[in-house]
Amino acid sequence: DAGVIQSPRHEVTEMGQEVTLRCKPISGHNSLFWYRQTMMRGLELLIYFNNNVPIDDSGMPEDRFSAKMPNASFSTLKIQPSEPRDSAVYFCASSPGQEQEAFFGQGTRLTVV
Amino acid sequence: GESVGLHLPTLSVQEGDNSIINCAYSNSASDYFIWYKQESGKGPQFIIDIRSNMDKRQGQRVTVLLNKTVKHLSLQIAATQPGDSAVYFCAENMGSGYSTLTFGKGTMLLVSP
Repeated sequence: DAGVIQSPRHEVTEMGQEVTLRCKPISGHNSLFWYRQTMMRGLELLIYFNNNVPIDDSGMPEDRFSAKMPNASFSTLKIQPSEPRDSAVYFCASSPGQEQEAFFGQGTRLTVV
Repeated sequence: GESVGLHLPTLSVQEGDNSIINCAYSNSASDYFIWYKQESGKGPQFIIDIRSNMDKRQGQRVTVLLNKTVKHLSLQIAATQPGDSAVYFCAENMGSGYSTLTFGKGTMLLVSP
């Protein structure tokens, strides 16, 4: 397996634009996580899906952020409209189940100017 | 990669030394813990895990110690190598029924040849 695949690796966009980040989890994993990493706040959990269903979205900063998982092999994180303070590295991770390690993708570095 | 080291505790060691990285976790109900290594420009990678019914676990060159009394976790790296230079995170699974991992702020390990 190629691991968790995220795209794009880098995204530069202007304030106000819509941004969509994509993730393909490891086949067979039933849990998927979106994390955001910044210098100031470290790694923060944004949302967690189990069997394609959002379980915990309490980490989503505000209504500008939304995430979907239409099937077991694909998830998106959308920011609309984007703001400079959204600049961060966004990681997707998947896990085979509860109390098991999460495997991380390479991340998407988002810069909003 | 992201300059996460600017705000992180840093441990500097010489090649061949043993390294000890410490972590205080937050929830006494946490029952599963993981150490991750993050190199510049990459996602966190699993190093070793431990469950709360254990106080020590050994891997290749790495040992994790868990002290539940004081909610403390440590990672020991034997014969540290320049390739071990990275940011190290501890993560906790906060008890039964949770699948998400909560990450600490991280420690940067710098290994000099």
